[in-house]
Amino acid sequence: DTGVSQNPRHKITKRGQNVTFRCDPISEHNRLYWYRQTLGQGPEFLTYFQNEAQLEKSRLLSDRFSAERPKGSFSTLEIQRTEQGDSAMYLCASSLDGGDEKLFFGSGTQLSVL
Amino acid sequence: LAKTTQPISMDSYEGQEVNITCSHNNIATNDYITWYQQFPSQGPRFIIQGYKTKVTNEVASLFIPADRKSSTLSLPRVSLSDTAVYYCLVYRGSTLGRLYFGRGTQLTVWP
Repeated sequence: DTGVSQNPRHKITKRGQNVTFRCDPISEHNRLYWYRQTLGQGPEFLTYFQNEAQLEKSRLLSDRFSAERPKGSFSTLEIQRTEQGDSAMYLCASSLDGGDEKLFFGSGTQLSVL
Repeated sequence: LAKTTQPISMDSYEGQEVNITCSHNNIATNDYITWYQQFPSQGPRFIIQGYKTKVTNEVASLFIPADRKSSTLSLPRVSLSDTAVYYCLVYRGSTLGRLYFGRGTQLTVWP
């Protein structure tokens, strides 16, 4: 068990560029979540996958945000036409199906939009 | 989901016991209480969860009174490495990972 892995750890981009982050969950976990965290605040839920199905995406911040989990394993979060307000830590978490909301988080991708 | 209220910050010294109390007055019958710990530049880490009375693991204890309107996370004999943000959350099975973290409690342990 190597834990939840996120890449890259840091990303600096210019406003208007597209960025993509990757998350590799714990191998036997079928649930995967994306959260966003800004300085001084707690993590904010964005979206949730059960296997390859995206069951909750209403909290994605705008239509510039999209997430995929094509084979039910790793996931990607894409932000198109980035804005300075998108600067934040993007966290991925995974868990086992079974009702126990014990989430295992990765170390996050820190995005800075210049 | 029930909103939680916890102190913004707490200070302690090494070796002391730390108790962080969280209020969740509107907790529902099928809600659970869970606590996470977060160090700088890392994702939150699950500490403990419970429904009622007392739960203890190798890291902490969680005390929940009969009315369940509050809970207390107890960290025995803290060390400098326990300096972190601690989040109290209330969730139910239908939450499906939509945990509401709030701002948490910044615990600072001094030598």
